[in-house]
Amino acid sequence: AQKITQTQPGMFVQEKEAVTLDCTYDTSDQSYGLFWYKQPSSGEMIFLIYQGSYDEQNATEGRYSLNFQKARKSANLVISASQLGDSAMYFCAMREDGTGTASKLTFGTGTRLQVTL
Amino acid sequence: DTGVSQNPRHKITKRGQNVTFRCDPISEHNRLYWYRQTLGQGPEFLTYFQNEAQLEKSRLLSDRFSAERPKGSFSTLEIQRTEQGDSAMYLCASSSRRTSGEETQYFGPGTRLLVL
Repeated sequence: AQKITQTQPGMFVQEKEAVTLDCTYDTSDQSYGLFWYKQPSSGEMIFLIYQGSYDEQNATEGRYSLNFQKARKSANLVISASQLGDSAMYFCAMREDGTGTASKLTFGTGTRLQVTL
Repeated sequence: DTGVSQNPRHKITKRGQNVTFRCDPISEHNRLYWYRQTLGQGPEFLTYFQNEAQLEKSRLLSDRFSAERPKGSFSTLEIQRTEQGDSAMYLCASSSRRTSGEETQYFGPGTRLLVL
């Protein structure tokens, strides 16, 4: 079974509008972390936002917020006031804390966001 | 504050040749990860170092792959006898675990490998 599921292969949003990118996850761990990364065409993975499983408040970082619904196992990324530079691939990732010393990340297949004028 | 750097950025090689990639992590980070990303997929974990010790390897890391981090600073990933299936983006990430337990991995720009 997929541990991270991103069901939207591609999304379009108009400049200055808000957009939500979906992510659901599967884990039996009580302690885990959820991340969103942005990957422009250049290839570098850029860290955007983090949510810990015990955090009661949704994480926010500037125009990015993470809509964390633990019971539904979802961690959707909301980008407000979209800009042309937001056009990129977006990956949701999970770190499971109960699997050895490595805090390796498991990634979804990504959502390609295109911001239009 | 320099980020994670990787060299080379691009590598084209012929099947059967050996290739080596280098990763320089953020200087104060003691943890270093290698991932592989194929077209249309998210990155997949390959291996992990804490300081100079290689503590975990994925099943994806066949015996043709070897990684080192000799002084706990930079790391190298070598692929011997490359195959066309090795064509991918190889990403390096570094991190350090905070006292809170939180840890964020910061990625380099990747090395894009094409095996002909």
